[in-house]
Amino acid sequence: DQQVKQNSPSLSVQEGRISILNCDYTNSMFDYFLWYKKYPAEGPTFLISISSIKDKNEDGRFTVFLNKSAKHLSLHIVPSQPGDSAVYFCAATHFSGTYKYIFGTGTRLKVLA
Amino acid sequence: NAGVTQTPKFQVLKTGQSMTLQCAQDMNHNSMYWYRQDPGMGLRLIYYSASEGTTDKGEVPNGYNVSRLNKREFSLRLESAAPSQTSVYFCASRGTGSSNQPQHFGDGTRLSIL
Repeated sequence: DQQVKQNSPSLSVQEGRISILNCDYTNSMFDYFLWYKKYPAEGPTFLISISSIKDKNEDGRFTVFLNKSAKHLSLHIVPSQPGDSAVYFCAATHFSGTYKYIFGTGTRLKVLA
Repeated sequence: NAGVTQTPKFQVLKTGQSMTLQCAQDMNHNSMYWYRQDPGMGLRLIYYSASEGTTDKGEVPNGYNVSRLNKREFSLRLESAAPSQTSVYFCASRGTGSSNQPQHFGDGTRLSIL
């Protein structure tokens, strides 16, 4: 049973336009959500996060939106740049003695110049 | 600042061979994790260690063992490698504190089992 789902394996966007990456979850215990970016042959790097008590968090060109009732979060990148081309993973966690993270399967974003 | 260092970066094994993947972090983090990444499967947790001296199973622990040697080091051992364990393995660490502490990842070990 996959608790965190990214249903779009890939996404192509023109440079300068908005990229929207989606993530759905099933476990209502999750109280913190993160997005990671991964380039080939490198480990994932933390991008942005959001607590379940918020519905939006912004950091420069990156904004994460959380809709708890729909168990859905999205990452918006505006404007998209060629350097944003990478695989994006969403992850969710809650405290159960320690923090364990459940990752989605990833979305490969390609920003076209 | 090295962060999380994994060795080796690449390894090819024959079925039945044993292997230990090494991970070390220099951020004084309490928690450490081992994941595997397979095509279409995302990152799946193999084992984790909430603090020095403790280890626990994750989603896919079968065929693996771990050792939290000290606060810095967390190793993953394959006792008898199988082709199904061909994967990219990532180690991560996390500091103590509230939920807004993200994990820091190493660059991975690419393991092929023939």
